[in-house]
Amino acid sequence: EVQLVESGGGLVQPGGSLRLSCAASGFTLRSHWMHWVRQVPGKGLLWVSRDNNDGSSTTYADSVQGRFTVSRDNAKNTLYLQMNNLRAEDTAVYYCARGGAASFDSWGQGTLVTVSS
Amino acid sequence: EIVLTQSPGTLSLSPGERATLSCRASQSVSSSYLAWYQQKPGRAPRLLIYGASNRATGIPDRFSGSGSGTDFTLTISRLEPEDFAVYYCQLYGSSPEWMFGQGTKVEIK
Repeated sequence: EVQLVESGGGLVQPGGSLRLSCAASGFTLRSHWMHWVRQVPGKGLLWVSRDNNDGSSTTYADSVQGRFTVSRDNAKNTLYLQMNNLRAEDTAVYYCARGGAASFDSWGQGTLVTVSS
Repeated sequence: EIVLTQSPGTLSLSPGERATLSCRASQSVSSSYLAWYQQKPGRAPRLLIYGASNRATGIPDRFSGSGSGTDFTLTISRLEPEDFAVYYCQLYGSSPEWMFGQGTKVEIK
């Protein structure tokens, strides 16, 4: 069974940093593109970043470009999202998701990031 | 930049009724890149349909997707109590690479 478990969320002050982790099981991480998607509570979904199979290519939404970095450790079957210079508008539930055929075929349960002083 | 617009914002229906949800793109897109998700309160989204019309693994056949060009539809043939949720369409494009519609809430009438 495919399982994705996010961790690392919490309360951080504006300008601070946080690193999210996504532990994958039930499949081989190196075989899939992986994504981060976020959702402000009560609002819609926003794609944040993408990492290809071996981590050699990454892309980001304009709103996080230059502040967020996605990476992976295929040996540990874990995806990461390093978030720097956090802003209040980054407050959201962050989901990791497995890339399917131009879609997201499995999702984690999400981890809440709150940016506030 | 392509914009996805879902309608209606809220659909009020009774169990057993048919639900028709719309997703319109601001310019023509490949149907291969259009997907639909269901999200229940406090839960992660779940992939229902990919490639506009292909059901994901384990999705009941009362869910169907159709459309091409700029207009896509998700149809739930007979609503079950567990189908009341928010539904999002999603497109793989160019900028941004992946985008979502704003969602349609299907609520019990």
